[in-house]
Amino acid sequence: KNQVEQSPQSLIILEGKNCTLQCNYTVSPFSNLRWYKQDTGRGPVSLTIMTFSENTKSNGRYTATLDADTKQSSLHITASQLSDSASYICVVSAGFSGGYNKLIFGAGTRLAVHP
Amino acid sequence: EAGVTQFPSHSVIEKGQTVTLRCDPISGHDNLYWYRRVMGKEIKFLLHFVKESKQDESGMPNNRFLAERTGGTYSTLKVQPAELEDSGVYFCASSQASLSGRGNEQFFGPGTRLTVL
Repeated sequence: KNQVEQSPQSLIILEGKNCTLQCNYTVSPFSNLRWYKQDTGRGPVSLTIMTFSENTKSNGRYTATLDADTKQSSLHITASQLSDSASYICVVSAGFSGGYNKLIFGAGTRLAVHP
Repeated sequence: EAGVTQFPSHSVIEKGQTVTLRCDPISGHDNLYWYRRVMGKEIKFLLHFVKESKQDESGMPNNRFLAERTGGTYSTLKVQPAELEDSGVYFCASSQASLSGRGNEQFFGPGTRLTVL
């Protein structure tokens, strides 16, 4: 069964601190792994996309890693800001022919950054 | 450039009533997806259009849900009759086709929050 699991479920950190969110997946056939940020009342917004051959990808203060052998990914946030408070969703794309990808979502990690 | 838009943003209806959600994808995007997030659960796939054709509707929960995309532009998702368990946030996403291994980036709308009483 295709599944994406995230930990922790929620996290509270102080502004300026770093944090790391985890994602484990069992998805086949694997196409790529994405991290999304979802602010309250908004739709998910893509942060990074990594294919099988990529093991790290950065987007500003966000750095994602991927270990395709162990089927694990992490999202590291550096020097957190209040605006980083959101849900972070790990999404694995199952690839099919014709460029069609089916997204399998994790339940998300709810991050709260406090001043 | 406008992003994916959805209407309405919120809808509160009674059990047994009908509701129609609308999604306007990014102009030029042939792929349109519907997703749903019920309370406390992860977002789940409902169906995928390529232009006006249904590519994959394996996530549609039952025949009370009907999605259309006439003309290959905007799409509607009708729930008739609505049940309590249909409450949740319904997201629409759109993308261009891609033949690369990266796949097609999906851009999400803000969602419609549906409450069935």
